Parts: sequence; structure tokens; C-alpha cells
Amino acid sequence: DTGVSQDPRHKITKRGQNVTFRCDPISEHNRLYWYRQTLGQGPEFLTYFQNEAQLEKSRLLSDRFSAERPKGSFSTLEIQRTEQGDSAMYLCASSLVAGPRYSNQPQHFGDGTRLSIL
Amino acid sequence: SQQGEEDPQALSIQEGENATMNCSYKTSINNLQWYRQNSGRGLVHLILIRSNEREKHSGRLRVTLDTSKKSSSLLITASRAADTASYFCATASGNTGKLIFGQGTTLQVKP
Repeated sequence: DTGVSQDPRHKITKRGQNVTFRCDPISEHNRLYWYRQTLGQGPEFLTYFQNEAQLEKSRLLSDRFSAERPKGSFSTLEIQRTEQGDSAMYLCASSLVAGPRYSNQPQHFGDGTRLSIL
Repeated sequence: SQQGEEDPQALSIQEGENATMNCSYKTSINNLQWYRQNSGRGLVHLILIRSNEREKHSGRLRVTLDTSKKSSSLLITASRAADTASYFCATASGNTGKLIFGQGTTLQVKP
């Protein structure tokens, strides 16, 4: 079990640039979640995938944000035209759900990508 | 938006003492989970308690859930310096499994 891995761990970029983060979930996990965490706060839900289907997006996810999970394995989160307010830790988590209905399973988190906008 | 509040926001104790953290939430839930986060790292799952359970134990951890009061508590017994971290409760509702987190309790255990 290699756990959830995220790349890069840190990203520093200038305002207005585009950034892309990658998440590799635990291999057999069919659900993948993205969260955002700002300093001193708990994580906030952004979006999630069941296999390759993106099933829910938070209102926090403006049209500058896009997420994909093309083959139901790894996922990418892209932010276009970054703004100062995008500075945060972006966390990815995965879980294994036995069927279409939610089951009580924990989520396994990666160590996140810390984004700093100059 | 955050689901609820955690209390206290910060807690400092001596090694060997017990630490209790409380969590309140607002909506009906399927389960409530507790996570630990060390500085600059991701979250580590500690324990999950389902809405039809009232108490659960895992090693030095004890979690209670009172759905009538929409509250939960996490007790860490015989704390160690390595328990120093932030602790978050998170609730799951509906079919999505998405977690709604509290603001967390920062625990410092002094050796």
C-alpha cells in the first residue's frame, strides 16, 4: 500500500499564471476527493470523482478551476489565472466504495500541494 | 463552509495527562470521523463512528457520539509528546461521502 501521493509538494508562482497539480490515489480506490485548506482552518470540499465521473463540485470551485480523472486512476486539478486568494494547501483523498450508495469508509489523504501566489 | 465547531481551539497538557476535544455539527450525518494533522502534512484517519453508534475505542482513543445533541468528543488517554498535532472532526452525509470539517483543535503535549 503506497498511499496517496501528490505532486508537487510545493508550488510558488506569480499571479495570473496557470498551475496544475497531480494526485495518485491508492490503486484500488474508486473515489477521489479534492479539498482546499487555508491556514488555521479545516479542509473544505472542492470536488469528487467516482471512477472517472466527476459527480459533485463545490461552489468554491470557480470557472478558473478544473479537475479531471481521465482513466479513473490519477487526477489533476488545474487553476487558471491564479489569484492571491488561491494560496492554500490542496489536499487529495481517496476511498473505496463497494457500490453506488455511500458506504462508511474512511478517506486516505495525501500530504497535499502547498500553493503560494506571489 | 464549515460544518460546526470544535472546542477548545487550542489545548496544552503535560505528557501522561488525558486530552478531550469536542465537536459540534449542524446537520444529520451518516458518520463522524476524527483526523490528525501534523504541521505541513496531510490528514491521518484516526477513527470513524457511525450515526447508530454511541461509543468507539481504538487503542488510546475513545470517541463518543450524541446525535440528539449533534456532538462528539475525542478522548486521548495517557498522552505522549508525539500526539502533538491538530485534530479535526469531519462529518459525512448523503451518498457522496464528502467530508465537512470543523476548524480543528491544536493539541500540544509537553514532555
